[in-house]
Amino acid sequence: DADVTQTPRNRITKTGKRIMLECSQTKGHDRMYWYRQDPGLGLRLIYYSFDVKDINKGEISDGYSVSRQAQAKFSLSLESAIPNQTALYFCATSDPGRPETQYFGPGTRLLVL
Amino acid sequence: AQSVAQPEDQVNVAEGNPLTVKCTYSVSGNPYLFWYVQYPNRGLQFLLKYITGDNLVKGSYGFEAEFNKSQTSFHLKKPSALVSDSALYFCAVRDMRGAGNMLTFGGGTRLMVKP
Repeated sequence: DADVTQTPRNRITKTGKRIMLECSQTKGHDRMYWYRQDPGLGLRLIYYSFDVKDINKGEISDGYSVSRQAQAKFSLSLESAIPNQTALYFCATSDPGRPETQYFGPGTRLLVL
Repeated sequence: AQSVAQPEDQVNVAEGNPLTVKCTYSVSGNPYLFWYVQYPNRGLQFLLKYITGDNLVKGSYGFEAEFNKSQTSFHLKKPSALVSDSALYFCAVRDMRGAGNMLTFGGGTRLMVKP
């Protein structure tokens, strides 16, 4: 987990607020992902990026945006948070040589009141 | 579309007993299947994968998984469970979006190993 870090680890915010979740990695991977985890639903992909100039929507991108500031950094923003965005958010990376094996950060627990 | 299903929300097993966590899949083409584990307050960790070859795949921490094409299953197993195996387990399948670099996860199964 130390290779992929996420900040903050926990966040409480109010409906309508803009917040940013940050992810950094030291693995040197080009590919980065943002997921959200909800009980019983597993992990669902929000956005993914194959390099700094290649960003793609996942299955649940509505209400979210991302920024790939550098190879090592991939941020997720909630422009106007709503309560059903309360979830556990994970960042992950993968190596182009082994794309199916992903390395996850420790997660950010977000509560939207 | 590729998908995996984990039919059990929770599996309870006594320490020292064998454990099985079930996963079934639905894919077009050859399946690439994975198991990940999530310990409390941690991100997911890769356990093992099946791409081709032997139907019994060995992974980390003494876990193994059996690929069964006729039953479209990829069950996770361990001969003797430890209390420290208690965690959330996710089955995943390679998704062909993004040139095959994506994973689709099941809903997860919580494994509880009791002393």
